Amino acid sequence: DAGVIQSPRHEVTEMGQEVTLRCKPISGHDYLFWYRQTMMRGLELLIYFNNNVPIDDSGMPEDRFSAKMPNASFSTLKIQPSEPRDSAVYFCASRSYRGKNIQYFGAGTRLSVL
Amino acid sequence: QKEVEQDPGPLSVPEGAIVSLNCTYSNSAFQYFMWYRQYSRKGPELLMYTYSSGNKEDGRFTAQVDKSSKYISLFIRDSQPSDSATYLCAMSEGVTGGGNKLTFGTGTQLKVEL
Repeated sequence: DAGVIQSPRHEVTEMGQEVTLRCKPISGHDYLFWYRQTMMRGLELLIYFNNNVPIDDSGMPEDRFSAKMPNASFSTLKIQPSEPRDSAVYFCASRSYRGKNIQYFGAGTRLSVL
Repeated sequence: QKEVEQDPGPLSVPEGAIVSLNCTYSNSAFQYFMWYRQYSRKGPELLMYTYSSGNKEDGRFTAQVDKSSKYISLFIRDSQPSDSATYLCAMSEGVTGGGNKLTFGTGTQLKVEL
């Protein structure tokens, strides 16, 4: 398996623009997680899905953030409108419900909002 | 106060040294403890996984958990330049339901010098 695939790897945008980050989880995995990583706050869980259904979105910072999982092989995290303080690395991770609680991470999307 | 505390470093050691990385936590419900390694510009990858208190060894790596003190450690023996990375501790209460959520430390940056 190719692992968790995220796109784009880098995104530079201007304040006020809409940003869409994409994630393809590992095939067969039932859970999908979106994280944000910054130097100050570390790795923060934004939202997670189980079988395509959002379970916990308590980490989503504001209404400007939204996430969807239309099917088992694709998820998006959207920021509209974007602000400079949204600049961070965004990671997607997935896991199987079977066995250990091990999450497999993608390579991340580095977002810069100017 | 954060639920998981981790010294951000950076920690610089000579090749061959024994490295000790640590995290403290406040949530006594945590039962599963993990160490992730993150190379620059990459996603975190699982290094060690332990349940409850005790030690676990895997090659040059040893993970220790002391639940009574709410303290976990990762030891790296005979450290190599390839061990240079950021090490994140992570914890969860379980493996299902709310236990799916991992709480991460902010990470310790390690550099092993020749």
